Amino acid sequence: QQQVKQSPQSLIVQKGGIPIINCAYENTAFDYFPWYQQFPGKGPALLIAIRPDVSEKKEGRFTISFNKSAKQFSLHIMDSQPGDSATYFCAALLPNDMRFGAGTRLTVKP
Amino acid sequence: DVKVTQSSRYLVKRTGEKVFLECVQDMDHENMFWYRQDPGLGLRLIYFSYDVKMKEKGDIPEGYSVSREKKERFSLILESASTNQTSMYLCASSFGAGWDYGYTFGSGTRLTVV
Repeated sequence: QQQVKQSPQSLIVQKGGIPIINCAYENTAFDYFPWYQQFPGKGPALLIAIRPDVSEKKEGRFTISFNKSAKQFSLHIMDSQPGDSATYFCAALLPNDMRFGAGTRLTVKP
Repeated sequence: DVKVTQSSRYLVKRTGEKVFLECVQDMDHENMFWYRQDPGLGLRLIYFSYDVKMKEKGDIPEGYSVSREKKERFSLILESASTNQTSMYLCASSFGAGWDYGYTFGSGTRLTVV
């Protein structure tokens, strides 16, 4: 049973658009919610993360919105660029246990 | 920067072979993990280890075993490779519980079993 559900599976936007990737989780014990960015041929790299006591976190053009009551969180990429084209994974953590979403392949067209 | 190094980027093995995937991290992390990545399924945890000689099964341990004889090295073993084990394998490490315990991943090993 997938504990973290991610959507959409793929996303295409024009340069400057704001892609939004959504994730939902089941286990209320999760206490850390990172997003990973993966380029072809590379391992996932930590992009941004949030704790459930915060509703929003912004780092540069990347923003996580977190809704604890709905058990949902999302990644927004402002002013998207072709270099943002990658696969994005959300995740939810307990100590020593991390559950990933299935991933979203983002394409930003020039 | 933490480095997680996987010994091979690409491997091609025959059905029935015993396969070793090696992973080394250089930041004295307690926790190490093996995931496999398949399209549409994301990353699925095979095994993890939170200390030397300790191991715990993840979600899909069947057909795999692991070894952690030293803190910095975590090996994944396919006892008898099968074609359904063709996948991208990712190793990760983390410092452990704490405010920021994000994982650091290696670049992956793409294994093809023929």
